[in-house]
Amino acid sequence: DAGVIQSPRHEVTEMGQEVTLRCKPISGHNSLFWYRQTMMRGLELLIYFNNNVPIDDSGMPEDRFSAKMPNASFSTLKIQPSEPRDSAVYFCASSLAIVSNQPQHFGDGTRLSIL
Amino acid sequence: KNQVEQSPQSLIILEGKNCTLQCNYTVSPFSNLRWYKQDTGRGPVSLTIMTFSENTKSNGRYTATLDADTKQSSLHITASQLSDSASYICVVSAYDYKLSFGAGTTVTVRA
Repeated sequence: DAGVIQSPRHEVTEMGQEVTLRCKPISGHNSLFWYRQTMMRGLELLIYFNNNVPIDDSGMPEDRFSAKMPNASFSTLKIQPSEPRDSAVYFCASSLAIVSNQPQHFGDGTRLSIL
Repeated sequence: KNQVEQSPQSLIILEGKNCTLQCNYTVSPFSNLRWYKQDTGRGPVSLTIMTFSENTKSNGRYTATLDADTKQSSLHITASQLSDSASYICVVSAYDYKLSFGAGTTVTVRA
């Protein structure tokens, strides 16, 4: 079975540019999560969607970050304008349901470097 | 603030040996505790999920224990292999979707 697919795997861009990260969750999963991982802060939840609806975006750092889920098989995380402190690995994860004992399945992440 | 603390920060073991990783948490209320394995350059992969009533859960050579009274968990790796070299992350869930992540323990297995 295909896992969570993220693209691109690596992104290097200059500050001020718009960055769009993409995620295809596992088919049939109705919960989708965006995380950011840094050495200093570890894994942090940015936003959570359930049935394509944003439920909790309290982890989104600031207005420069936005996320959408137009359908059950696609989500984007956009940063505009990007800043060097946004450099991190961004993970997308999906799970079967909101039931507590369901594991979250992570993609392999997008390593983002803002110069 | 809900916290998850892991120890040691890193360890090196010889192939074939056993090791145990520790996780202490203050997350409340408690729903479940998860251990994830993260290989370098990859996303975390779930190893085990334990609810309040479970004391032990195994996944191959990985065995997790949970003491909900003392809020402690351990992950034991038996007969380590080179492929076990990774970061192991303890994750505690207070609600259905919000997870509290530990900083991880980096395990290096040497031949």
